[in-house]
Amino acid sequence: AQKVTQAQTEISVVEKEDVTLDCVYETRDTTYYLFWYKQPPSGELVFLIRRNSFDEQNEISGRYSWNFQKSTSSFNFTITASQVVDSAVYFCALRVDSGYSTLTFGKGTMLLVSP
Amino acid sequence: DGGITQSPKYLFRKEGQNVTLSCEQNLNHDAMYWYRQDPGQGLRLIYYSQIVNDFQKGDIAEGYSVSREKKESFPLTVTSAQKNPTAFYLCASSRRGTVNTEAFFGQGTRLTVV
Repeated sequence: AQKVTQAQTEISVVEKEDVTLDCVYETRDTTYYLFWYKQPPSGELVFLIRRNSFDEQNEISGRYSWNFQKSTSSFNFTITASQVVDSAVYFCALRVDSGYSTLTFGKGTMLLVSP
Repeated sequence: DGGITQSPKYLFRKEGQNVTLSCEQNLNHDAMYWYRQDPGQGLRLIYYSQIVNDFQKGDIAEGYSVSREKKESFPLTVTSAQKNPTAFYLCASSRRGTVNTEAFFGQGTRLTVV
């Protein structure tokens, strides 16, 4: 069975601060994919990034960056110079490459960025 | 514009009633999913379907039913057997057979039992 843990339930920061959202996963499969989604107040989940288990390169996209470390089973997400529009719930998810595979989500981290 | 449409956005149900949540997609995706979201619980899988006329139970299927008669549509019925149906319901779709693909989500239906 797969499991995703997002230990931070809620994080509050002031605009322009950097913030890191933690994600730890568990799986016995050797081929898997990790995802981050953003859920703004409107409710729809917005896809942010996908990473496969064989690619440990970190990725940067504008103010967003992701750090994938297989040794610690972590896939952390950092927002640099946070903005009020970053306020949302962020979900980390895992999908394994076997059979009818579905996404396993963490419980989410609510990020509140105040002006 | 391609996407997933869920309706209605808000739904109120009296105890003992069945209600059906609609989910339509025009992304030509084979796979569709229903998730339930409760505060502090994340997203939990109710049912999923990889192809037309086939679907599987997820982690919390009790009290729910689905059908997949058309590729574009995957309606979810919340039956009276579901003891605590008040929640936010999200529908999603993705390409089938490719686990590296992301799922696309609708805007959700908030169901409240009155």
